[in-house]
Amino acid sequence: SQQGEEDPQALSIQEGENATMNCSYKTSINNLQWYRQNSGRGLVHLILIRSNEREKHSGRLRVTLDTSKKSSSLLITASRAADTASYFCATDAYGSARQLTFGSGTQLTVLP
Amino acid sequence: GAVVSQHPSWVICKSGTSVKIECRSLDFQATTMFWYRQFPKQSLMLMATSNEGSKATYEQGVEKDKFLINHASLTLSTLTVTSAHPEDSSFYICSARVLAGSYNEQFFGPGTRLTVL
Repeated sequence: SQQGEEDPQALSIQEGENATMNCSYKTSINNLQWYRQNSGRGLVHLILIRSNEREKHSGRLRVTLDTSKKSSSLLITASRAADTASYFCATDAYGSARQLTFGSGTQLTVLP
Repeated sequence: GAVVSQHPSWVICKSGTSVKIECRSLDFQATTMFWYRQFPKQSLMLMATSNEGSKATYEQGVEKDKFLINHASLTLSTLTVTSAHPEDSSFYICSARVLAGSYNEQFFGPGTRLTVL
């Protein structure tokens, strides 16, 4: 089941610009993860941020987490045409099942 | 990172037939695998959680008799769509979980596109 929403649903930017996507969720979490999906393909894990972390970096990616607001953001700096894809946040809630619950996704288009 | 494969990558079948999709973890053992369904331009919806050696746990609204899951080994889970109908046409994605400490990272297969005519 989908736990939360992502916004914007779609984002179109020029190459070189930064892209910011937001994710909101509803329950307490153990960690939050961001995934990327190229059209018609599987998901690629980008970054994981734990509930006790506020910010994390990986290359051109910067993720923030605000557990008080139950929200996270993914920033892609200096975007490239190859970054065009759908981006999903996924929350790992506490509990025995440890299932991931995916957000609704943001379709990012980077124009060359 | 860990690699998960799916076979076939796409399949077209006639209404009423059954289709089996395989999900394999290639370089690690996965005690838990997940099956998701994704309709066009939508997010992944969890169908079931598959634990090696035990019955799968299905999400609400997913018919266990229609979507048969078998997880007979630590590297293989199969999803069989029985008596497929056009509304079952979708992108089916599996993932295998690696639990490292408190992390819960899932590695996803490339997906299987099912088209039921």
